[in-house]
Amino acid sequence: EVQLVESGGGLVQPGRSLRLSCAASGFTFDDYAMHWVRQAPGKGLEWVSGISWNSGSIGHADSVKGRFTISRDNAKNSLYLQMNSLRAEDTALYYCAKAYRGQCFDYWGQGTLVTVSS
Amino acid sequence: EIVLTQSPGTLSLSPGERATLSCRASQSVSSSYLAWYQQKPGQAPRLLIYGASSRATGIPDRFSGSGSGTDFTLTISRLEPEDFAVYYCQHYGSSPYTFGQGTKLEIK
Repeated sequence: EVQLVESGGGLVQPGRSLRLSCAASGFTFDDYAMHWVRQAPGKGLEWVSGISWNSGSIGHADSVKGRFTISRDNAKNSLYLQMNSLRAEDTALYYCAKAYRGQCFDYWGQGTLVTVSS
Repeated sequence: EIVLTQSPGTLSLSPGERATLSCRASQSVSSSYLAWYQQKPGQAPRLLIYGASSRATGIPDRFSGSGSGTDFTLTISRLEPEDFAVYYCQHYGSSPYTFGQGTKLEIK
């Protein structure tokens, strides 16, 4: 059974940093690209970042470019999102998602909540 | 960046009726890299359709997708009570992989 479990969310002040993690199991992790998608309270879905199976291709949304960095450790079956210079508008539930047939997402975690507030 | 516009914003229908949801792209979506997701309150999204018209694993055949280029449609042939949710389209042909703003399907 595929499982994606996010962790690392919490309350953080504007301008500070946070690192999210996603532990994957139930599939061959290093065969697939992985992504982060976020959802602000009461709002729609926003793709944040994606990384290829071997970390050779990485992309970020313009809204987080230069502040967020996606990475992975295939030996640990883990995906990460380093978030720096956090802003109030980064407040959201952050989902880890597995890529499928290109870059749509067939499995999602339950999300980890990030709240940026003073 | 491809902008996806979904319509209507809210669709009010009764169980047993047919639902038609639209997703229009600001530019052509390459190779029909268009997906549809369903999201219920408090849950993660679920992949319904990929490649514009292929059903994901375990998705009932009352869900169907169609379209190409800039105009795409999700059709639910006969609504079941569990189908009332928010639906999102997503393009995934090239980064950034944007989502539409969603259509809320509510019980009339």
